[in-house]
Amino acid sequence: EVQLVESGGGLVQPGRSLKLSCAASGFTFSNYYMAWVRQAPKKGLEWVATISTSGSRTYYPDSVKGRFTISRDNAKSSLYLQMNSLKSEDTATYYCARHLPKLGNYFDYWGQGVMVTVSS
Amino acid sequence: DIQMTQSPASLSASLEEIVTITCQASQNIGNWLAWYQQKPGKSPQLLIYGTTSLADGVPSRFSGSRSGTQYSLKISRLQVEDIGIYYCQQASSTPWTFGGGTKLELK
Repeated sequence: EVQLVESGGGLVQPGRSLKLSCAASGFTFSNYYMAWVRQAPKKGLEWVATISTSGSRTYYPDSVKGRFTISRDNAKSSLYLQMNSLKSEDTATYYCARHLPKLGNYFDYWGQGVMVTVSS
Repeated sequence: DIQMTQSPASLSASLEEIVTITCQASQNIGNWLAWYQQKPGKSPQLLIYGTTSLADGVPSRFSGSRSGTQYSLKISRLQVEDIGIYYCQQASSTPWTFGGGTKLELK
């Protein structure tokens, strides 16, 4: 069974940093592109970052580019999101998600999510 | 960025009713479109990808179609477990973007 379990969320002040982790199991982690998608309270979904299987390629929307860094450790089947210079608008539930292999940039499995609150 | 506009924003329907949700793309995305269902308090779940392909385990009462840059999700016979919020997502070009969501409730 595919499982994605996020951790590392919490309350953080504006301008500070936070690192999220996602532990993957039930599939060969190194074979899949992985992503982070967030959802602000009572709002819709926003793609945040994607990383290739080896970690050599990363992709971000302009809203987080230069502030967020996605990374992975295939030996540990783990995905990470380093978030720097956090803003109040980064407040959201962050989901770790697996890309559907070979068939396009869709997300076929999602974690339960971790809440990040940016506030003074 | 490609904008995805969903309609309606909310919808109330009866059990066994046919339900249709639409998503309008701001430019050509071909068949690079997915639909997700998010039940209350849960993570999103992939329903349909590539406009018409059902994800694993998704009931056959769900179907997707396209007319130009307008995409539709159809539920042929609404069931209680179908209640939730539905999102479309374009996978044509980054940034991959989602529609604003359609909240489906029981009448």
